[in-house]
Amino acid sequence: QKEVEQDPGPLSVPEGAIVSLNCTYSNSAFQYFMWYRQYSRKGPELLMYTYSSGNKEDGRFTAQVDKSSKYISLFIRDSQPSDSATYLCAMSQGSASKIIFGSGTRLSIRP
Amino acid sequence: EAGVAQSPRYKIIEKRQSVAFWCNPISGHATLYWYQQILGQGPKLLIQFQNNGVVDDSQLPKDRFSAERLKGVDSTLKIQPAKLEDSAVYLCASSSFLSTPEAFFGQGTRLTVV
Repeated sequence: QKEVEQDPGPLSVPEGAIVSLNCTYSNSAFQYFMWYRQYSRKGPELLMYTYSSGNKEDGRFTAQVDKSSKYISLFIRDSQPSDSATYLCAMSQGSASKIIFGSGTRLSIRP
Repeated sequence: EAGVAQSPRYKIIEKRQSVAFWCNPISGHATLYWYQQILGQGPKLLIQFQNNGVVDDSQLPKDRFSAERLKGVDSTLKIQPAKLEDSAVYLCASSSFLSTPEAFFGQGTRLTVV
């Protein structure tokens, strides 16, 4: 069993739709939960992160962590064509620990 | 602030040849990572350095891969001999962990082994 599982998609939605991306994990020691965005032929860039449980909102993006279910989500409201990219969930046990990535979900927003 | 620099951007080699990748992290970042990203997959950690010491190399195929971090700054990753399954993008990332867990990535080196 992989430590972090993510549906690879691809996921295609119309512009303006709400997008839901999810990951599950098996290691209960994870404390930092991150979402990275990766455009084609570029390195991943951090979108947002959450420490421990709870929700965090940044503009059109909301990250949720449910540690009891070992389940994290990223919601994108009012999706734009520029949001088309691969979204990677990532987790670590501590601030200087290794970062484990999911397999990524390829998202396409149709104009 | 300059980002993480990697070179070369692209490399094509024949199987059994050797290859080396170079990474210059963001100035002052003590933590440096090398990841392997195969097409359609997420990045897989190969090795993590803290300054010039190895923190984790549990997934590094040590019979063919080696890495070093000179004076706690630049790093090189070497593959010798290369196999077809080593075709991937090799990503270098660095982090300071002063306030966030964020790792900053370079653009990667795309390796094709033929």
